[in-house]
Amino acid sequence: AQTVTQSQPEMSVQEAETVTLSCTYDTSESDYYLFWYKQPPSRQMILVIRQEAYKQQNATENRFSVNFQKAAKSFSLKISDSQLGDAAMYFCAYSSSLGGTGTASKLTFGTGTRLQVTL
Amino acid sequence: DGGITQSPKYLFRKEGQNVTLSCEQNLNHDAMYWYRQDPGQGLRLIYYSQIVNDFQKGDIAEGYSVSREKKESFPLTVTSAQKNPTAFYLCASSISYSSQTQYFGPGTRLLVL
Repeated sequence: AQTVTQSQPEMSVQEAETVTLSCTYDTSESDYYLFWYKQPPSRQMILVIRQEAYKQQNATENRFSVNFQKAAKSFSLKISDSQLGDAAMYFCAYSSSLGGTGTASKLTFGTGTRLQVTL
Repeated sequence: DGGITQSPKYLFRKEGQNVTLSCEQNLNHDAMYWYRQDPGQGLRLIYYSQIVNDFQKGDIAEGYSVSREKKESFPLTVTSAQKNPTAFYLCASSISYSSQTQYFGPGTRLLVL
């Protein structure tokens, strides 16, 4: 079974600075997807960024980028120019196919990292 | 606007009562999912459905039931057999091809009286 580990329960960053959130995972599969989701106080899960395992190039979305190290099974999220609105819980998630007639997938989540942004 | 809606936002259950959480999507997604979130934890999969009239158990299906009579709707019933139902419930959907990206609704908070 796949497992996802986020070893930083809480992180803090000053506004406009850069912060990196860590995530490691365990799997025996070669083809999978990795995600970072943000959960603000409203508790809705918001997709931040996605990485396909077969792609060597690290994904970027504006101020958000990842460092994907497939051999090390590491998937960290870097937030540049942090803003007050970035304060939230961040969850790393591993996606694997559930098979069957469709291509539904199962997300396995880490326990999250609470990010605080200070002035 | 396309999206996923969940209702109600808050739900109270009495002992021995079944309650149903609603999830509707207008994204034309084939696959839909229900997750449960407990404090200090990530999400865990309860049930999923890849097509209409078909659904499968996830990791923690005991005490829950679902139906998928329409592509847009995937309601979750929390039965009296679920002994610890207090949690935050999130519905998600995804297009049934290989993107594997799931999009989430705003969630329902279930509390036991």
